[in-house]
Parts: sequence; C-alpha cells; structure tokens
Amino acid sequence: DAGVIQSPRHEVTEMGQEVTLRCKPISGHDYLFWYRQTMMRGLELLIYFNNNVPIDDSGMPEDRFSAKMPNASFSTLKIQPSEPRDSAVYFCASSPGTNFNEQFFGPGTRLTVL
Amino acid sequence: AQKITQTQPGMFVQEKEAVTLDCTYDTSDQSYGLFWYKQPSSGEMIFLIYQGSYDEQNATEGRYSLNFQKARKSANLVISASQLGDSAMYFCAMIHQGGSEKLVFGKGMKLTVNP
Repeated sequence: DAGVIQSPRHEVTEMGQEVTLRCKPISGHDYLFWYRQTMMRGLELLIYFNNNVPIDDSGMPEDRFSAKMPNASFSTLKIQPSEPRDSAVYFCASSPGTNFNEQFFGPGTRLTVL
Repeated sequence: AQKITQTQPGMFVQEKEAVTLDCTYDTSDQSYGLFWYKQPSSGEMIFLIYQGSYDEQNATEGRYSLNFQKARKSANLVISASQLGDSAMYFCAMIHQGGSEKLVFGKGMKLTVNP
C-alpha cells in the first residue's frame, strides 16, 4: 500500500517567490494534517482537514500561508510570498478517523528559502 | 492547554541494553491519547506506540513498551534490547479526545545506540 506522498521532496527558492507543497493522503483516510518542523519550534501543526474541510487552521503562522484540499486525494500548502524564516521541513500526515488513530506521516518536503 | 515535556536532550545506550525515554504531559482533560514517534536521520516520522488514558494496561509493541503512570502524568517509552537502528530522534505526543484531532508534540530527544 502506498503511504502518504509528498512532493517535492526538496525545494529551494528565493525570498518573495511562491511555493506550493503537495500531498496525497492514504486512500480512505478522512483526516489530513500539515505540520512544520524547525529546530527552534519543533513540530507544529499548521492546519488539518476532515473530509476535505479545514477544521483547525489556528497554527497557520500568517496570511502568507494557505492550504486547500479540493478532493479526498490531494492537498496543497502554499506560501506566498516566501521568506527565509519559512525554511523548514513540512510534513503532511493522514489518519483514518477518530478514536485516537495514529497519524501516518509523509516523507516531508525540505524547504529552503534564500 | 496541553503540553508535552521531554527533558532529556540526548541519551547514549549500549547495544542490547534497555533504555527509557522520559515524557511528561500536562492536561486537564480526562480523555486523551499518548503517542511515541521515531524520526531517523532520513527524516520520516514513524509511529511506534499508543496509550489511551483509560487503558488499564501499559501498551506494548514488540520491543517497545509504554510505562504509563497517570497520576504522575508520565508516559515513558521503554526500548528493550536496543539495536543500532534505534538511533534516532524520539517524539512524545498527545491528543485530546472530544473535538480536536490536534496532536501536540514534545521537543524530542536524540537516542544514540553504541555498538
């Protein structure tokens, strides 16, 4: 079975450019999560969706960040314009549902903003 | 607010020995879940073990066990018979039941297994 798929795996861009990260959750999973990992702040939840609907976006740092889930098999996290402090590893995870099901993480996208 | 504390920045253990990774948590909720994830140097996050707050027995998964002490609000991970491949970052996390599916992570700790 395919796990959570993220693309690209690495992204290097210049400050001010738009960055789009992509995620394909595990088929049948109702929940999708976007996390950011940095040395300073650790792993932070940015936003999560349930059945394609954003449920909690309180972790989104600012208006430059936006996330969409147009269908059950695809989500994007967009940063526009990007800044050097956005450099981090961004993880997408999916979960089959409630009752404390484990979250399955993708391999992450390492973003570097110069 | 929920909070996870992992105070050990790093630990070293000899291969084949057991090791305990500490995790304490703070929550006012009665129903919650506790997780441990492993992150090797390759970067992926790997689920290891889960403990529910109402589970009477400590969770076990192969060489992993969770020493759950509810009154002390601790959920330590025990790895028996350490292997070189256990060298990684380990994260403790908590989720609260009843609405939010937010998983709150600790800062993590680095385990190094020496041959």
